[in-house]
Amino acid sequence: QLQLKESGPGLVKPSETLSLTCNVSGDSISKNSYYWGWIRQPPGQGLEWIGSIYYLGSTYYNPSLRSRATVSIDASRNQFSLTLTSMSASDTAVYFCMRRPGVDVVSHWGPGILVIVSS
Amino acid sequence: DIQMTQSPSTLSASVGDSVTISCRASQSITRWLAWYQQKPGKAPRLLIFKASTLEGGVPPRFSGRGSGRDFTLTISSLQPDDSATYYCLPYNSHSELTFGGGTKVEIK
Repeated sequence: QLQLKESGPGLVKPSETLSLTCNVSGDSISKNSYYWGWIRQPPGQGLEWIGSIYYLGSTYYNPSLRSRATVSIDASRNQFSLTLTSMSASDTAVYFCMRRPGVDVVSHWGPGILVIVSS
Repeated sequence: DIQMTQSPSTLSASVGDSVTISCRASQSITRWLAWYQQKPGKAPRLLIFKASTLEGGVPPRFSGRGSGRDFTLTISSLQPDDSATYYCLPYNSHSELTFGGGTKVEIK
């Protein structure tokens, strides 16, 4: 059974870079046709897609975050990552990693990790 | 880019009531629409895909309808456990995901 789990710092200073990792267990991250990605949710607000990566390496980003976000895959560790540069208070959110089995629904979610941006 | 307009943003109803949430897409998405339920502190849970297909384990009091641009999620006979925020999501694109703004369902 597929499980996703986010890891990374819970507190980031303004202007710093956030690095999060999603560990994938129960399936191969290199499996045909899967998309892996990140969605965030500021406190009390809705869901915002950040970006996705196809298993072959193509990446796609929310236009509002494209200049600051990078999603990458480490197949040898069966994990994928998000880096988000120039963090500010408005980036405070719960960050979820997720999987789409192709051009399909978001079928699996990690439990989420709260990241607070504060000095 | 597809934009999703979801309404209402909040609704309050009594146990046993029937409630309906709407989502309108800025362009046709045929039937590629999903509905999610999210409870505080949890990841969203898939309820419905392809506009009207119930995900396994979802109670039959949840139903979805629609095609093209207009979609609805109906909860018949509202239960206390249905208190949550509901989101629609079009999924016809590999390069973008845009959630509806969410509807918070409260039990009176």
